[in-house]
Amino acid sequence: EPEVTQTPSHQVTQMGQEVILRCVPISNHLYFYWYRQILGQKVEFLVSFYNNEISEKSEIFDDQFSVERPDGSNFTLKIRSTKLEDSAMYFCASSRGTGHQFFGPGTRLTVL
Amino acid sequence: AQSVTQLDSQVPVFEEAPVELRCNYSSSVSVYLFWYVQYPNQGLQLLLKYLSGSTLVESINGFEAEFNKSQTSFHLRKPSVHISDTAEYFCAGNTDKLIFGTGTRLQVFP
Repeated sequence: EPEVTQTPSHQVTQMGQEVILRCVPISNHLYFYWYRQILGQKVEFLVSFYNNEISEKSEIFDDQFSVERPDGSNFTLKIRSTKLEDSAMYFCASSRGTGHQFFGPGTRLTVL
Repeated sequence: AQSVTQLDSQVPVFEEAPVELRCNYSSSVSVYLFWYVQYPNQGLQLLLKYLSGSTLVESINGFEAEFNKSQTSFHLRKPSVHISDTAEYFCAGNTDKLIFGTGTRLQVFP
């Protein structure tokens, strides 16, 4: 069964550094998403991406965040200058349309 | 405002007992509703979903949920839980960006 993959599984970085979280969505999916889950809290929507552009973003997704689909398979989330409060589990998801979103296993980001 | 509410942060039960995890959604949330399960140190897995049609939906591992429009609820039930059901359960809704509840930790004891 096809699945969404994410790399790395765990990323440790120093505050102020840039990080890129990578995702490979399911190949025939058209909609892509990033969510995050701060430890002990609920999963929060960050951004959705369709047709090579952002379709919606939350207030969390400020100028420090960006997304890109550099080729036909990868979908990346970049945080330009990480802050301590960016420490969280980041989930990528993809879908063919409305309805079921398939989630990746997540990347645990730790900012020191 | 759009919201999905899970009233119970933790639900402890003994093995083979029935369980209900409660979920309510605001009427502004489009009625595409989902339950996701997160096992320790793993990602989110879809457990079941309601998009349209029959209001009772079932998963392959014995869970079921009923969409109740009048009560704006989508409670998750299982008649007899197993130790392996211990996990965090998230209710979510909407058509595009998912709105998640805060999660319910189901702890099954032997």
